[in-house]
Amino acid sequence: AQSVTQPDIHITVSEGASLELRCNYSYGATPYLFWYVQSPGQGLQLLLKYFSGDTLVQGIKGFEAEFKRSQSSFNLRKPSVHWSDAAEYFCAVGTAFIDYKLSFGAGTTVTVRA
Amino acid sequence: DVKVTQSSRYLVKRTGEKVFLECVQDMDHENMFWYRQDPGLGLRLIYFSYDVKMKEKGDIPEGYSVSREKKERFSLILESASTNQTSMYLCASSPIRGGNQPQHFGDGTRLSIL
Repeated sequence: AQSVTQPDIHITVSEGASLELRCNYSYGATPYLFWYVQSPGQGLQLLLKYFSGDTLVQGIKGFEAEFKRSQSSFNLRKPSVHWSDAAEYFCAVGTAFIDYKLSFGAGTTVTVRA
Repeated sequence: DVKVTQSSRYLVKRTGEKVFLECVQDMDHENMFWYRQDPGLGLRLIYFSYDVKMKEKGDIPEGYSVSREKKERFSLILESASTNQTSMYLCASSPIRGGNQPQHFGDGTRLSIL
């Protein structure tokens, strides 16, 4: 079965600074990978997804993520953080088989300081 | 845009009550999911359904049941609510089958069992 680890529970970053959130997955074949964001009191919104092809994926809100098969990682980055990026971020993995379930990481909470 | 609507944002119930959480999606998606979200644990799948009247257990089905009488509606039922079921509940939907489909989430129901 697939699984996801987000090593950082909480990250604090200054507004305008860069941000990188780590995600490591465990799965024997090529995974489908997703990043979601959850603003306070809201549901999850899809930021970006990786299925195949170019390993650098662009998403909404200025985020990007890079798939590195050798490291089993799918880290999320943003060059310059805005105060509105304060939220909880979840990495998720799906598989290529007839399995519609996603496995989610425990999440990383991002605090943005002025 | 996909709209997943959960009937209540906040709900307070008493121990032993039968509780119904309702979810409706407007995009004719085949798959629907119920998760609970707890701090430090991420999202855990309770039940999912890939067709009308079909249901499958997720990772933590104990104490819950579901109903899917119509394609657009997926209900989560707490047969006899207990305090350890106090949590945030998230409903999601996705089209067709396959792990490469992102899930679309509602805004969640914060349920408190007293």
